[in-house]
Amino acid sequence: AQTVTQSQPEMSVQEAETVTLSCTYDTSENNYYLFWYKQPPSRQMILVIRQEAYKQQNATENRFSVNFQKAAKSFSLKISDSQLGDTAMYFCAFMKANSGTYKYIFGTGTRLKVLA
Amino acid sequence: DTAVSQTPKYLVTQMGNDKSIKCEQNLGHDTMYWYKQDSKKFLKIMFSYNNKELIINETVPNRFSPKSPDKAHLNLHINSLELGDSAVYFCASSRNRGNEQFFGPGTRLTVL
Repeated sequence: AQTVTQSQPEMSVQEAETVTLSCTYDTSENNYYLFWYKQPPSRQMILVIRQEAYKQQNATENRFSVNFQKAAKSFSLKISDSQLGDTAMYFCAFMKANSGTYKYIFGTGTRLKVLA
Repeated sequence: DTAVSQTPKYLVTQMGNDKSIKCEQNLGHDTMYWYKQDSKKFLKIMFSYNNKELIINETVPNRFSPKSPDKAHLNLHINSLELGDSAVYFCASSRNRGNEQFFGPGTRLTVL
């Protein structure tokens, strides 16, 4: 069975600084997807970034980028130029490709606080 | 132009009652999900429907029964509510064979 581990329950960063959130996963699959979701205090789950395992190039979305290390089964999220609005819970998620069920396996989350 | 909507957003009820949470998506997606987020923020899949057919049924008490009248709706009915059912319940949807799930705003259920 797949598992997703986020080893940092809480982190803080100064506004405009860079922070990296870690995520590791365990799977025997070769094809899968990885995601980072953000959950601000409003509770809405918002997709931040996704990565297809067959792509070696790391995904980037504006200030958000990932460091995907397939062999190490690591998928960290880097937030550059942190903003107060980045304060949220961040969840890493795994989904097996071609499974027919498309279910996410979530990590336990990292609470990020951006300090003014 | 809400993509995935849930009603109600808050639900407070007594132990032993029966309640329903409704979910609708206007994205034309074929697959819908229910997730439970507990007090420690842990998110876990409960059910998934694809074109009104149940495809995921995780280990969930049979007091929980999903119903999908059409592919745009997936409702969650809970019988004989217990204190441990208190949580935030999220509905989500995705395209068939798509890989991004769109979440509703969540329903916070409090059982007293």
